[in-house]
Formats: sequence, structure tokens, C-alpha cells
Amino acid sequence: DARVTQTPRHKVTEMGQEVTMRCQPILGHNTVFWYRQTMMQGLELLAYFRNRAPLDDSGMPKDRFSAEMPDATLATLKIQPSEPRDSAVYFCASGPPGSRPDEQFFGPGTRLTVL
Amino acid sequence: DQQVKQNSPSLSVQEGRISILNCDYTNSMFDYFLWYKKYPAEGPTFLISISSIKDKNEDGRFTVFLNKSAKHLSLHIVPSQPGDSAVYFCAARTGNTPLVFGKGTRLSVIA
Repeated sequence: DARVTQTPRHKVTEMGQEVTMRCQPILGHNTVFWYRQTMMQGLELLAYFRNRAPLDDSGMPKDRFSAEMPDATLATLKIQPSEPRDSAVYFCASGPPGSRPDEQFFGPGTRLTVL
Repeated sequence: DQQVKQNSPSLSVQEGRISILNCDYTNSMFDYFLWYKKYPAEGPTFLISISSIKDKNEDGRFTVFLNKSAKHLSLHIVPSQPGDSAVYFCAARTGNTPLVFGKGTRLSVIA
């Protein structure tokens, strides 16, 4: 059955290292979202794309975070350099063309720990 | 500045009783509200929604109530079951903008 996949599921790294998280949206979905979940802030929107074009990345710290969609089947979120405060669960979600808000499907998340 | 607030981080309810999860919002332009449910090690999944033109929407054991004047919505689960134990996120949006989520409420249903 169709699901959003994310890799890796878990990542432990040291401060200063580059981290790349990957997301494969559901085939045919043209909207992709990146969220970060922390205890303090809950689910925060970092960036989103429609038809591979970035529409809003105002939620991302621009100096260290970058999000791209190299093609329709892959979205990436990079952190360089990583810091301990980036430790969180990062979720990718996708939606079909013209989707209603309840048609946003989440992946299982990448749990990032920065030491 | 949280536009969607879930002020109770956790809630415990006995099996068979009613669970009531609350959510407040500050943006009067929000026109669509949703509840998502999240189990450990999984992503959130859509549970139930309500448009701002309604004040109630029901789906089986789940009912969402919207009070626009108070900028408040609530999710009622009756009867609560152990499988309902999860984190519940309230979310809202305006037009075609992305969803704004609250911090979540962890519900524990005790057998």
C-alpha cells in the first residue's frame, strides 16, 4: 500500500557533522512538507514544495538547513553543520494534487540526535 | 507565538469513559480544523476534521466540536479504548496555507 518513506529512521551524529534526511513521497503526490517535532514546539513546519518548487521555507534556520527536491520521487533535508539543538524527529508528508488538508500523509519520521 | 494551543500535555482516562481533548486558537481567519493521532515511532495520521461553517462533526466514537466565538475546539472520544492511547495533535489552516499544529496532548486510556 502507498506510504511515505523516510531514511534513515534514526541518526546519531556529532555536533558539526552534516546530516542528510531523505523522503520518498507517495507516487503521484505533488506537495511535500518537512516538519520537525520537539517537546517544546510540537510539530513545526520547516518547508514545503509543490511540483518540486519550494513555496515556503520560512520555518527553517537558513544558515544551516536546506531542503530540495532533486526529482518528484525524492525530497532531501540537510543540516550543515548540525548542532545539539537540532535533535528532534523530522517528518516528511505528502499530498496529492488539489489535496484537502486531511489528505496529507506523514512518513514515519527520522529521529535525529546530535551529540 | 503559538497560533494553535493545546494546553494539556497529557490526559489519563479510564477505559469506557469519555476523553475530552481541548484546543484553542488565536487566528480568527482559520477556516478548517483537524485532529491527528500519533502512535510512537509512527507519523501522525488524520483522524477527524471540521469546517468553520459547522459546529460539530461526528465519526463513530469521535466527535469534534467547534466554538468559533471562543476560538476553541474539542475532540470527544466515547467510549475510550486502550488503543486510543496516543498523542493527539490539533491543527488548523486558512485557505490553502499549510497546517499549523499544536504541541499535542498525550492520551493514556487505562484498562
